[in-house]
Amino acid sequence: RKEVEQDPGPFNVPEGATVAFNCTYSNSASQSFFWYRQDCRKEPKLLMSVYSSGNEDGRFTAQLNRASQYISLLIRDSKLSDSATYLCVVNPYGANNLFFGTGTRLTVIP
Amino acid sequence: NAGVTQTPKFRVLKTGQSMTLLCAQDMNHEYMYWYRQDPGMGLRLIHYSVGEGTTAKGEVPDGYNVSRLKKQNFLLGLESAAPSQTSVYFCASADSNSPLHFGNGTRLTVT
Repeated sequence: RKEVEQDPGPFNVPEGATVAFNCTYSNSASQSFFWYRQDCRKEPKLLMSVYSSGNEDGRFTAQLNRASQYISLLIRDSKLSDSATYLCVVNPYGANNLFFGTGTRLTVIP
Repeated sequence: NAGVTQTPKFRVLKTGQSMTLLCAQDMNHEYMYWYRQDPGMGLRLIHYSVGEGTTAKGEVPDGYNVSRLKKQNFLLGLESAAPSQTSVYFCASADSNSPLHFGNGTRLTVT
């Protein structure tokens, strides 16, 4: 079983829409969780960390559900510039050994 | 402050040739990583290092070797390249309180 699983999409949404991605992880002892954004042919960049209490950064909200072992990313009022691949990242074993999901592709349509 | 720098950016190898990818970071990070990214597979960890002089195997280490002789550099070697090693390679660094910082990637094609 993969450490991290994501729906690859693609998600095609109109500007202004709200879209949510989920990501499941297999190791219940996982310690830290992140969402990264990757633009086409570029390196991944940290979007936000995911805290147990949930966290919000502008139009982006991340949630952690330990009981069901998933994390989510909600994007409100989608912009064209939000078009990218969103990577779910989990640290199940410590030592900064991170596992990446395959990514969810989002396209925001004018 | 350059962050994480990878060289080269592109390379084409013939099967059986060898090469070394260089990663350099100027953030004094303890941890450094080499990932490969393939379509539909996501990023997979090849090798990593938790400090100068240390290395450890990741998820897909076969066919690669690494060295961390200096804290700021992490080298990835392919001794005998195979077409299955055609990929985009990303180096990253971090410390215990920071997220991963990635380099721009190296696109390697093995023919």
